[in-house]
Amino acid sequence: GAGVSQSPSNKVTEKGKDVELRCDPISGHTALYWYRQRLGQGLEFLIYFQGNSAPDKSGLPSDRFSAERTGESVSTLTIQRTQQEDSAVYLCASSLGRQGFRMKAFFGQGTRLTVV
Amino acid sequence: GESVGLHLPTLSVQEGDNSIINCAYSNSASDYFIWYKQESGKGPQFIIDIRSNMDKRQGQRVTVLLNKTVKHLSLQIAATQPGDSAVYFCAESNNNDMRFGAGTRLTVKP
Repeated sequence: GAGVSQSPSNKVTEKGKDVELRCDPISGHTALYWYRQRLGQGLEFLIYFQGNSAPDKSGLPSDRFSAERTGESVSTLTIQRTQQEDSAVYLCASSLGRQGFRMKAFFGQGTRLTVV
Repeated sequence: GESVGLHLPTLSVQEGDNSIINCAYSNSASDYFIWYKQESGKGPQFIIDIRSNMDKRQGQRVTVLLNKTVKHLSLQIAATQPGDSAVYFCAESNNNDMRFGAGTRLTVKP
């Protein structure tokens, strides 16, 4: 597609439920990032995928969070047993690569997750 | 590390004035820098970038200045307009990592 697409745009879930967020990166972009953004705050790195390399999971806050990516296409971020503290906007970004100018990342509109 | 748990600094300017948003980066090995603009309810959008072999780059109404000596990056917006109201993030990359600054909320007063 023309840009990074995320779905759903909004998700309200009950505490304790699992949620799955989807990201469709720009075609041809080998790098994909997930970030979390709490209300009024900055971007918190969660996980990074680059081609077929092992993902960088160093930002995942707990083992309730996991993410997968199929080749160089769609990625899903899964949050198990959601907590109210998980409420935030989850942003996905993709780029051509991870060196120099290739790191210019394009962001999706985000998924606003509300845990009630 | 990433900017986590920090409330954003704010900058308020009068419409028509010039704005300067500053960013201190952490890694002297970073060789590529990006400024993003995030409007309310939207994802960050690319504004302008600069490589470490430059100290200034200009776009439409925006200029990015890079001072590698003090690891400082700034974004200048000329003749600020109400549509410029947003949160601005800088990002630095060093060939294997990209880090975002805390962000600055710009408010333009009519």
